[in-house]
Amino acid sequence: AQSVTQLDSQVPVFEEAPVELRCNYSSSVSVYLFWYVQYPNQGLQLLLKYLSGSTLVESINGFEAEFNKSQTSFHLRKPSVHISDTAEYFCAVGYSSASKIIFGSGTRLSIRP
Amino acid sequence: DGGITQSPKYLFRKEGQNVTLSCEQNLNHDAMYWYRQDPGQGLRLIYYSQIVNDFQKGDIAEGYSVSREKKESFPLTVTSAQKNPTAFYLCASSIDSAGGGTGELFFGEGSRLTVL
Repeated sequence: AQSVTQLDSQVPVFEEAPVELRCNYSSSVSVYLFWYVQYPNQGLQLLLKYLSGSTLVESINGFEAEFNKSQTSFHLRKPSVHISDTAEYFCAVGYSSASKIIFGSGTRLSIRP
Repeated sequence: DGGITQSPKYLFRKEGQNVTLSCEQNLNHDAMYWYRQDPGQGLRLIYYSQIVNDFQKGDIAEGYSVSREKKESFPLTVTSAQKNPTAFYLCASSIDSAGGGTGELFFGEGSRLTVL
């Protein structure tokens, strides 16, 4: 069955520290990968996506994620977090054999001053 | 501004009552989706529609119904048959209607339903 696993439900870090949010998906021939961010009581916004080409993708606010086909992972990283990055982050995967996107259970990132 | 509008933002319902959540988009997207969000469970797909007058069940369709009479509208009805309806409901749309899951999803602000 197609699935997405976010290994950490909560990640607390200090401000200006680096962070990695982990995401693994079930293997498939062709996948499309997304990270969405959700601020409290709001909908989700696309943070970055991998469709094809370079395996390293970046967002405008300093996040990056790398598609690793052999490990079926798409971990999200940021070298230095800010208080404003406090939110819940969702990894999502689209499979070429399906017409829907599957979401992980989310990782709540909390930033301590 | 183009986007997705969900209403109401907050809704209270007594047990045994049906309630309809509105979702309207002006992005000219073919595909629309309803997700349910519960703490620690991420987003679960209730129904989706790839074209007007057609829709498919998602992973947790029991106790819900939808219609897609217009391209821009995809209302969700939470019926009295839904055993645990208290949740945050998110509507989304995407350009992609041909399948493959390649399309970015655009989300509304959500509707929080509480059953008293």
